[in-house]
Order: sequence, then C-alpha cells, then structure tokens
Amino acid sequence: AQSVAQPEDQVNVAEGNPLTVKCTYSVSGNPYLFWYVQYPNRGLQFLLKYITGDNLVKGSYGFEAEFNKSQTSFHLKKPSALVSDSALYFCAVRAHGGSQGNLIFGKGTKLSVKP
Amino acid sequence: EAQVTQNPRYLITVTGKKLTVTCSQNMNHEYMSWYRQDPGLGLRQIYYSMNVEVTDKGDVPEGYKVSRKEKRNFPLILESPSPNQTSLYFCASSLLGTARGRETQYFGPGTRLLVL
Repeated sequence: AQSVAQPEDQVNVAEGNPLTVKCTYSVSGNPYLFWYVQYPNRGLQFLLKYITGDNLVKGSYGFEAEFNKSQTSFHLKKPSALVSDSALYFCAVRAHGGSQGNLIFGKGTKLSVKP
Repeated sequence: EAQVTQNPRYLITVTGKKLTVTCSQNMNHEYMSWYRQDPGLGLRQIYYSMNVEVTDKGDVPEGYKVSRKEKRNFPLILESPSPNQTSLYFCASSLLGTARGRETQYFGPGTRLLVL
C-alpha cells in the first residue's frame, strides 16, 4: 500500500534561518512526489514535484526538495525562511502505474517562522 | 483565469437536511476529486472521477454521493448530513497521463461545513 509520512506536526524556525520539512514515502515502484502549501483560510497550492530526472527539484517561492531513493525521502527545504512562509505543508505521492490521478497525502506539517 | 471554484464557501446546516456542494473547473481536466480535511488527519479522499460518467470511491466515501455529468462539474452530495461530516472540503482537478506537466492537482478554495 502507498503511504506518506510527515514525522513532524510542527516545525519552528527563525526568520533568515534555513528550514527543512520532512517527508518519507512508501510505494511499489518509482514514485511521483509532490509538495503543496496551504495558507490560512485558503486551498492547497502546488509548490513542486518530482517525476523523473534531477533529484533536486526547485519550485515556487524559493523552495526546493531533494528526492532520495535509498532513504525514500523527499524533504522540502529553503535556504532562508521568511515569516510569510508560515503555513501548513503537505507531501503527497503516487506510484508510477498506480491509479492515475490519485494522490496520497501526508497529515501535514505546520511551519512557523518567527521574526 | 484557470481555476477551480467551489460553492458555497461556508455552510451551516442541520442533521438530515440534504445539501450539495458544487465544484467547477475551467481547465478541461479529466480528473476531479473531493477531499475532506480534518485536524490531525490531513486530507482524505472521498470520491474521484477519471472522466465524464466515471466515478469511484476514495478512502472515506460513506455518507457522500457524487456525479460527473459534465467534464467541468463534479458536485458533492450529502443526502442526510450528520455531525461527523462537519469538516473542510476541497475539490481538486488535474490532467491525466504520464507526460510531464500532468498529474499536478489544482485545488479549490474549500468549503467549510458545520452540521448541527
């Protein structure tokens, strides 16, 4: 069965410091991996995805994520956090060859960036 | 503007009173899906549709119905709402296929439902 784990319910970072939001996955075969962000009272917005190719994926708002096949991880990173990055972040996965369209979402990680 | 719209955005109702939450997308997407978001549980899929007249259950379909009579619309129907269906609901859509650029889901703004 496919699954996604976001081991941290909340991540606290000081503005200007680097941030990491962790995600690990379990799928049969090669994964499609996604990060979404949800700002308060808003829907989910797509940040970035990994399908194939370069393991380091760059996305919106200066975020990037590194696909690590051996560790089955897809951690979200940003070199210098902004207060405006405070939001709820979701990792999602589906397997190549799996039911097209369907994504499995993690439970979400709340990122809090303090000035 | 490419978007997914949902109506209403907020709804308070009483147990047993049928309601429909509409979802519409203007991107000609084949795939549409409904999720519910609850604290500590993340997003759970209710129903999805791969194309017109093709729908299937997600992880938590009990108490919900959907229909896909047109490609752009995917309404969520609660025939007899109960308090445990109080939640934040999201509709999403995407293209299908394995080519780069597909698979990314686009979400509506959400519908907050309270069932008394």
